[in-house]
Amino acid sequence: GAGVSQSPSNKVTEKGKDVELRCDPISGHTALYWYRQSLGQGLEFLIYFQGNSAPDKSGLPSDRFSAERTGGSVSTLTIQRTQQEDSAVYLCASSGDRGKPQHFGDGTRLSIL
Amino acid sequence: GESVGLHLPTLSVQEGDNSIINCAYSNSASDYFIWYKQESGKGPQFIIDIRSNMDKRQGQRVTVLLNKTVKHLSLQIAATQPGDSAVYFCAEKVEGYSTLTFGKGTMLLVSP
Repeated sequence: GAGVSQSPSNKVTEKGKDVELRCDPISGHTALYWYRQSLGQGLEFLIYFQGNSAPDKSGLPSDRFSAERTGGSVSTLTIQRTQQEDSAVYLCASSGDRGKPQHFGDGTRLSIL
Repeated sequence: GESVGLHLPTLSVQEGDNSIINCAYSNSASDYFIWYKQESGKGPQFIIDIRSNMDKRQGQRVTVLLNKTVKHLSLQIAATQPGDSAVYFCAEKVEGYSTLTFGKGTMLLVSP
């Protein structure tokens, strides 16, 4: 598609379950970013990919969070043993290179019961 | 009780007015700045950007002003329309780094 696509758009799960969130960046974009946005808050950086490698994963809040990117395209963000404080909107963005604006998907709204 | 985090700064304007949204950025080493618009249930949408070697940049109905001396960024929207109602975020990037640091956001409410 023309824009960044994220799936699922909504996810409700029980505390302790693992979840996997998917991001399809804009075709040809080499840089990919994951952010988290809690209700009424700004965006919190999680991890950055350049191609398939992650030179900056400083924003991952705990070792329950991990992400990978394959083929320089699709990325998945995995949260293991989810906690209620993980509830948020998880946003993915991509850009052509470091000097270009990041373009965002509409996010996955994650709710942990 | 209510969370302090839910109280975004809010700017209320009438349709047709000019709007000015302000942002104080944090890092004097930042060399690139972006304004995003976020509507309810949507991801942030790029509006306009500016590099630190400029102090003004204009787009369609929008102007961004950068004052590096006081680390201040503003977004001016001309002839504001109801469709401009959204939360607006400024973001900054430090030279040599790839990640953006976002501000808390300002809610713009436009009345017909």
